[in-house]
Amino acid sequence: EVQLVESGGGLVQPGGSLRLSCAASGFTFSSYSMNWVRQASGKGLEWVSYISSSSSTIYYADSVKGRFTISRDNAKNSLYLQMNSLRAEDTAVYYCARRGDSVTQFDYWGQGTLVTVSS
Amino acid sequence: QTVVTQEPSFSVSPGGTVTLTCGLSSGSVSTSYSPSWYQQTPGQAPRTLIYSTNTRSSGVPDRFSGSILGNKAALTITGAQADDESDYYCVLYMGSGSWVFGGGTKLTVL
Repeated sequence: EVQLVESGGGLVQPGGSLRLSCAASGFTFSSYSMNWVRQASGKGLEWVSYISSSSSTIYYADSVKGRFTISRDNAKNSLYLQMNSLRAEDTAVYYCARRGDSVTQFDYWGQGTLVTVSS
Repeated sequence: QTVVTQEPSFSVSPGGTVTLTCGLSSGSVSTSYSPSWYQQTPGQAPRTLIYSTNTRSSGVPDRFSGSILGNKAALTITGAQADDESDYYCVLYMGSGSWVFGGGTKLTVL
């Protein structure tokens, strides 16, 4: 069974940093591209970042470019999101999501981890 | 910046048919954007319904279908059921490593 479990969320002050992790199991992690998608409370989904299976290709949404860094460790079946210079508008539930066969297919999602940026 | 547009809300009667759409603030949606559709209930992670315009995800009932209607992507639910009451999101691949979700449609079945 495919499982994605996020961790690392919490309360952080504006300007602070946080590192999210996503532990993957039930599939060959090193064969799949991964994404981070976030959702502010009561709001819609926002794609945040993408990383290819070998980490050779990385993309970011404009809203986080230069502040967030996506990475992965295929030996540990883990995906990461290093978030620096956090702002109030980064407050959201952060989901990791596996890319499926199609470029817009996020076929498996974790349950999310809540990041709150507040003083 | 291109905005992906969806109806904020929609209502359908049980057993009825509803079509939700996904458009662009500028231009037309085509299959090249590879539109996908997600269903989300409160407190849950999204679930894939349709990808690549019209391919149903595994386990999704055939009363959910995807298409291009005019200049928009469309999700049609035929024979709506009470548990279809959810938020529905489309996502488009804009190219150059950019994915954009629509604002979502809150579907009420009553």
